[in-house]
Amino acid sequence: KNEVEQSPQNLTAQEGEFITINCSYSVGISALHWLQQHPGGGIVSLFMLSSGKKKHGRLIATINIQEKHSSLHITASHPRDSAVYICAVRLNNDMRFGAGTRLTVKP
Amino acid sequence: NAGVTQTPKFQVLKTGQSMTLQCAQDMNHEYMSWYRQDPGMGLRLIHYSVGAGITDQGEVPNGYNVSRSTTEDFPLRLLSAAPSQTSVYFCASSDRVLYGYTFGSGTRLTVV
Repeated sequence: KNEVEQSPQNLTAQEGEFITINCSYSVGISALHWLQQHPGGGIVSLFMLSSGKKKHGRLIATINIQEKHSSLHITASHPRDSAVYICAVRLNNDMRFGAGTRLTVKP
Repeated sequence: NAGVTQTPKFQVLKTGQSMTLQCAQDMNHEYMSWYRQDPGMGLRLIHYSVGAGITDQGEVPNGYNVSRSTTEDFPLRLLSAAPSQTSVYFCASSDRVLYGYTFGSGTRLTVV
């Protein structure tokens, strides 16, 4: 079993829909990261969380340490949000990654 | 522009050849790391460094060497390339405390 599980693997939405991507992990962590990988391959760090909730524009990330679960929400989704979203957990200096969620937002 | 610079962007090697993937950052970040990304496997940590002169192994270190002689540079060496090392390689840096990671643009390596 992977230490980091993401769901769903693939997600197709219509423009304007509210999106939720989930991440569950099985190990003790020092932080959790959400990354975005564009169709061209570049990776951008969206959030780093150790507790609670963070918001940046239309993106919201939450984490529940007790339940070992995090969610990434996208409000008012847009075709430019189409990308692979990756959850990663930091174990001191080590990192473990989920397999990613491929999001496609259709106009 | 500040960030992480990876070179080359593409490389084809023959089995048994050696090469070095370069990674440089200009943000004075302490932490640097190398990952490989394979279809269906996600990203996996190869090696990391928490500062100049300090390196350690990640999840998949076999076949790779690293060194960190300066804060800015963290090269990844393949001593004898194998087809199993065909992958996309990413370098990243972080200040480890407050901020997220900054990734390089990646190197697509093919070993034939």
